[in-house]
Amino acid sequence: NAGVTQTPKFRVLKTGQSMTLLCAQDMNHEYMYWYRQDPGMGLRLIHYSVGEGTTAKGEVPDGYNVSRLKKQNFLLGLESAAPSQTSVYFCASAQGYEQFFGPGTRLTVL
Amino acid sequence: SQQGEEDPQALSIQEGENATMNCSYKTSINNLQWYRQNSGRGLVHLILIRSNEREKHSGRLRVTLDTSKKSSSLLITASRAADTASYFCATDVQGAQKLVFGQGTRLTINP
Repeated sequence: NAGVTQTPKFRVLKTGQSMTLLCAQDMNHEYMYWYRQDPGMGLRLIHYSVGEGTTAKGEVPDGYNVSRLKKQNFLLGLESAAPSQTSVYFCASAQGYEQFFGPGTRLTVL
Repeated sequence: SQQGEEDPQALSIQEGENATMNCSYKTSINNLQWYRQNSGRGLVHLILIRSNEREKHSGRLRVTLDTSKKSSSLLITASRAADTASYFCATDVQGAQKLVFGQGTRLTINP
């Protein structure tokens, strides 16, 4: 089992460009989450999903959109990237209380 | 805002010593979890303690929970160089299907 995978691992964008981060899990988990982690800080929840076809806002949702069309995939979109969105993005999935994390995507917005 | 506040922010000890990290939170919780993050990696779940438990052990890890003080501590005994990492507490807030993470403690074990 691959667990939780994230694509891409690194990306550099210019201000105003758009992109989609892909998260995939092969554990048949119902819950999926997108976090961002900034230097010296813990993780902050962007959006999450409690099942296929559902999404909900987290703590810092502005500037991001998500979709969960398939149970195993959770997409995070940036429609118009801003320098403030420079961060490391982590996806996680869960069936019970424990969350399983992907390796992260390092995004730089110039 | 962050639910959890961790203390200390950074801790450096010698190999073989014990390391203690503390976490305080603000609202009622279902459970509290501790995660480890090695540099450049994702988080890995270490241990979960439920709101009706006071202490839990897993190998060299010992977690305590005091719901009256809204605080928890993580003790790592007989530390090893491989324990060097950042440690985060995360609270599962009642009624929510999500975790709220603290800012983390950066632990360095010196050989």
